[in-house]
Amino acid sequence: NAGVTQTPKFRILKIGQSMTLQCTQDMNHNYMYWYRQDPGMGLKLIYYSVGAGITDKGEVPNGYNVSRSTTEDFPLRLELAAPSQTSVYFCASSYPLAGGNTYNEQFFGPGTRLTVL
Amino acid sequence: KQEVTQIPAALSVPEGENLVLNCSFTDSAIYNLQWFRQDPGKGLTSLLLIQSSQREQTSGRLNASLDKSSGRSTLYIAASQPGDSATYLCAASLGSARQLTFGSGTQLTVLP
Repeated sequence: NAGVTQTPKFRILKIGQSMTLQCTQDMNHNYMYWYRQDPGMGLKLIYYSVGAGITDKGEVPNGYNVSRSTTEDFPLRLELAAPSQTSVYFCASSYPLAGGNTYNEQFFGPGTRLTVL
Repeated sequence: KQEVTQIPAALSVPEGENLVLNCSFTDSAIYNLQWFRQDPGKGLTSLLLIQSSQREQTSGRLNASLDKSSGRSTLYIAASQPGDSATYLCAASLGSARQLTFGSGTQLTVLP
């Protein structure tokens, strides 16, 4: 059980290039999330998904796109990379418990450190 | 919009001291509150999760409390050790997908 895995670990992009950050979870979680963390700051939500085929914007979605074709995978696409997208990107997953006052614990991947020059 | 604030931003204490980290949030309709530890250049390690119906959770030398009515949570660390040096983040869960809103963290240094 690998949990949440992210690739690549590091990447340097030139301005205007595009790339896809990969995220996979093997815990059969319904919910998946993408966050970014700028230096000295907390994490901010980019996009999230409550299941295959369903995605929604978070706090900072501009410049990004996502898709969720399977339960396991939630890739994040950067189009036309800009220096403002230099950050560490974390993927997370969780699941709703059935019945009563549902709660969830989010499990995080190790992160992708992206630099845009 | 949920806002989460952590005070202080940085804290330095001698080894062996007991200490308290503070977290406040503006929307009390949270599902849960999580505390994380982050070492420099590393990912997040989940420490404690307090459900909205709970008042506190304990794990070893760590104790987290939650007061929804006042919008506050505290993380108590007993008998601090140099290995506790890290940034501690709190995050409040809210919304249709229980998404997390994070504070900016408290950077803790425990001096030997």
